[in-house]
Amino acid sequence: ETGVTQSPTHLIKTRGQQVTLRCSSQSGHNTVSWYQQALGQGPQFIFQYYREEENGRGNFPPRFSGLQFPNYSSELNVNALELDDSALYLCASGSPDGPYKDNSPLHFGNGTRLTVT
Amino acid sequence: GDSVTQMEGPVTLSEEAFLTINCTYTATGYPSLFWYVQYPGEGLQLLLKATKADDKGSNKGFEATYRKETTSFHLEKGSVQVSDSAVYFCALSELGDMRFGAGTRLTVKP
Repeated sequence: ETGVTQSPTHLIKTRGQQVTLRCSSQSGHNTVSWYQQALGQGPQFIFQYYREEENGRGNFPPRFSGLQFPNYSSELNVNALELDDSALYLCASGSPDGPYKDNSPLHFGNGTRLTVT
Repeated sequence: GDSVTQMEGPVTLSEEAFLTINCTYTATGYPSLFWYVQYPGEGLQLLLKATKADDKGSNKGFEATYRKETTSFHLEKGSVQVSDSAVYFCALSELGDMRFGAGTRLTVKP
């Protein structure tokens, strides 16, 4: 089975710019979640998509938005970048049974390292 | 809201030492509990999980028991190896969104 792949692996942007990060979910998974991991911290939940609709969101402002496509690949978009947005962004895919099987472990990609200058 | 608190690191042990990394949680319902591991330069990997009280998760010599009475899910290993050096994250999931602790960095010296 294919794993979760993210692109790009590294990215440098300037404050105020916009960025799009991409993720291909693990085969057979139709739930995708995005996390922000600041240096030395645990991942923080941004939002989750199930079958192309957002169905859960963490404490992040609206300038963090996402999309999930029919093939279950996903994008994370961040507008008006701020210095504090510098972090590792992780994508994770979940159980094919949907988002409420809360005992389903997530399968993580290796992340995109975003640096905002 | 739901949250996880885990033992602050870093933890440094000699090879073959006993490992315990403490994790406690706060949840309104009945979450599933997980330990994830992040090796240098890699993404998060599931290490073990437990879905209900008194369940024991185990993998690669690591164990953790879901203790509802103490709201804990401590990670243990009887004899660590150099290859176990990594950052370990305790996490819970109740409604699909995973909540992680801050992570504990483990270094095992030969």
